[in-house]
Amino acid sequence: NAGVTQTPKFQVLKTGQSMTLQCAQDMNHNSMYWYRQDPGMGLRLIYYSASEGTTDKGEVPDGYNVSRLKKQNFLLGLESAAPSQTSVYFCASSVLWTSGSTYNYEQYFGPGTRLTVT
Amino acid sequence: GQNIDQPTEMTATEGAIVQINCTYQTSGFNGLFWYQQHAGEAPTFLSYNVLDGLEEKGRFSSFLSRSKGYSYLLLKELQMKDSASYLCAVGGGFKTIFGAGTRLFVKA
Repeated sequence: NAGVTQTPKFQVLKTGQSMTLQCAQDMNHNSMYWYRQDPGMGLRLIYYSASEGTTDKGEVPDGYNVSRLKKQNFLLGLESAAPSQTSVYFCASSVLWTSGSTYNYEQYFGPGTRLTVT
Repeated sequence: GQNIDQPTEMTATEGAIVQINCTYQTSGFNGLFWYQQHAGEAPTFLSYNVLDGLEEKGRFSSFLSRSKGYSYLLLKELQMKDSASYLCAVGGGFKTIFGAGTRLFVKA
């Protein structure tokens, strides 16, 4: 059981180049997420997918696109990379917790992709 | 607005007890998470509180007061391997909001 895997682990891009970050999970989770983590800031949600075939914007979606064609895969695309997109990108999948009338999602994170845009 | 505050750094001694505080102001609240993140690694789940009070799990305990918008993570019998960042996160369904994290240094 590999959990959540991400490729590549490291990537250097030139401004204006495009690329796709890949994420896969083998836990049969319905929901998946893409975050970026920058020094001194918390994880910020870029996009999420509540279930296969659906995607929604998070806090910082500009400059990114996503695709969830299969339940186990969630792809993050950078259309035209900019230096401001230099960051560590984490993919996550989640399992639902319920407690009475409340619900929440415990997230399992991949190892991250360290992206530098020059 | 959405805001989560936690101290940037803390230092403690091996074998001691440390308390990491978190205050939050968020528009939605379905519970509060604590995650641990070692340098260069992914965050991993530690605890989840949805009701007021203390949840204990081995050396780690987490407390929540919803009326005060306050939580803390208590680490007992500190070990060197506890040196890591601790992320406070408030859940609102799919859109969990993460704090910037508290970097804990454990010294011998």
